[in-house]
Amino acid sequence: GDSVTQMEGPVTLSEEAFLTINCTYTATGYPSLFWYVQYPGEGLQLLLKATKADDKGSNKGFEATYRKETTSFHLEKGSVQVSDSAVYFCALNMNTGFQKLVFGTGTRLLVSP
Amino acid sequence: DAGVIQSPRHEVTEMGQEVTLRCKPISGHNSLFWYRQTMMRGLELLIYFNNNVPIDDSGMPEDRFSAKMPNASFSTLKIQPSEPRDSAVYFCASSMLGDTQYFGPGTRLTVL
Repeated sequence: GDSVTQMEGPVTLSEEAFLTINCTYTATGYPSLFWYVQYPGEGLQLLLKATKADDKGSNKGFEATYRKETTSFHLEKGSVQVSDSAVYFCALNMNTGFQKLVFGTGTRLLVSP
Repeated sequence: DAGVIQSPRHEVTEMGQEVTLRCKPISGHNSLFWYRQTMMRGLELLIYFNNNVPIDDSGMPEDRFSAKMPNASFSTLKIQPSEPRDSAVYFCASSMLGDTQYFGPGTRLTVL
């Protein structure tokens, strides 16, 4: 079945460091891809998305490019802040009409001053 | 917009008791989703509705779980009887068909 694999966490960085969180997917068709972020004690929020191959989603300094050839959607940020500390979830939707999301296990990011 | 509203935010109950979680989706959204989040299993989709009709309940763990959506502005997830292994954070999310899902703040359930 369709699935998403994320790198294990936690990812621990110092402020202003470069961030990469890896995400790969398995799907039979052409999914839309998403990154959601969960801050402590809160629900998930959409961070960015891409709906077709080679699309780049971006928001709040975060970027991810839909790579069909490598079935990947890695999240990057050039300079992280302490406030970016959260859990990041990669997800896919097979575009069957009801947006049933398949989530990865989440990657915790810890940014220290 | 108030966003997705869930109640209660925290629930502590004893094994065997009935638990009811509530969700009010964003006005105008026609899809509603119930998720469960645990450390062991991550984020799991339990059930989702479209236009108040359950579309896929294959994620509902067992018959002790039931969900209803009597109208477009209200849904419940009921566990009867509850068990300690049901302890988790339960999220409700809503969306317009085919668009971004917006999550509520969650209900943290502890079953003693």
